[in-house]
Amino acid sequence: TQLLEQSPQFLSIQEGENLTVYCNSSSVFSSLQWYRQEPGEGPVLLVTVVTGGEVKKLKRLTFQFGDARKDSSLHITAAQPGDTGLYLCAGRPPGSARQLTFGSGTQLTVLP
Amino acid sequence: EAQVTQNPRYLITVTGKKLTVTCSQNMNHEYMSWYRQDPGLGLRQIYYSMNVEVTDKGDVPEGYKVSRKEKRNFPLILESPSPNQTSLYFCASSLRWGVYEQFFGPGTRLTVL
Repeated sequence: TQLLEQSPQFLSIQEGENLTVYCNSSSVFSSLQWYRQEPGEGPVLLVTVVTGGEVKKLKRLTFQFGDARKDSSLHITAAQPGDTGLYLCAGRPPGSARQLTFGSGTQLTVLP
Repeated sequence: EAQVTQNPRYLITVTGKKLTVTCSQNMNHEYMSWYRQDPGLGLRQIYYSMNVEVTDKGDVPEGYKVSRKEKRNFPLILESPSPNQTSLYFCASSLRWGVYEQFFGPGTRLTVL
């Protein structure tokens, strides 16, 4: 099983601050997705990146897929309390589009 | 409303008592999957199904069974539950396997005493 390591595991910041969450692996992934999960609910897809070096923006969230397709980052600008949640990255190994490997998650708390 | 439903949402049972967690989707999705979520371990895939009558093991299949007799339903069966299967379980579906969005159910919190 190919592993995805997320850092930091926990992050607590004040409203208005910027932050970056990392998702790293020693293995290559054909695509990578980011999900957000709120308490009592299942994860919800935020973005999918498929090309090395790809950058996608979703309002105040910026996602980047590493050039070698082994890592990804999620940057949030001017965080708001509504951004609070568990952020999960999930990668699909090359040649095995059938399975999705999830990272352990980053629990983000944005304080008002 | 397009959704994935799971039942029950909460279940407390005892070791060895067979149980089934149901999962149903109304989006005509081909791909369905079961995950368990444990603190510090993220989501780990138990079983997945690429279509009716096609199922395969994920990363942690021991102690679980699944079936896919109909496209919309993908039940998870624990023949003889043990305390180490206490976890939060999620069912998910996507249009087909590949780079597609997975839609998750609300989760089933299972406690095995």
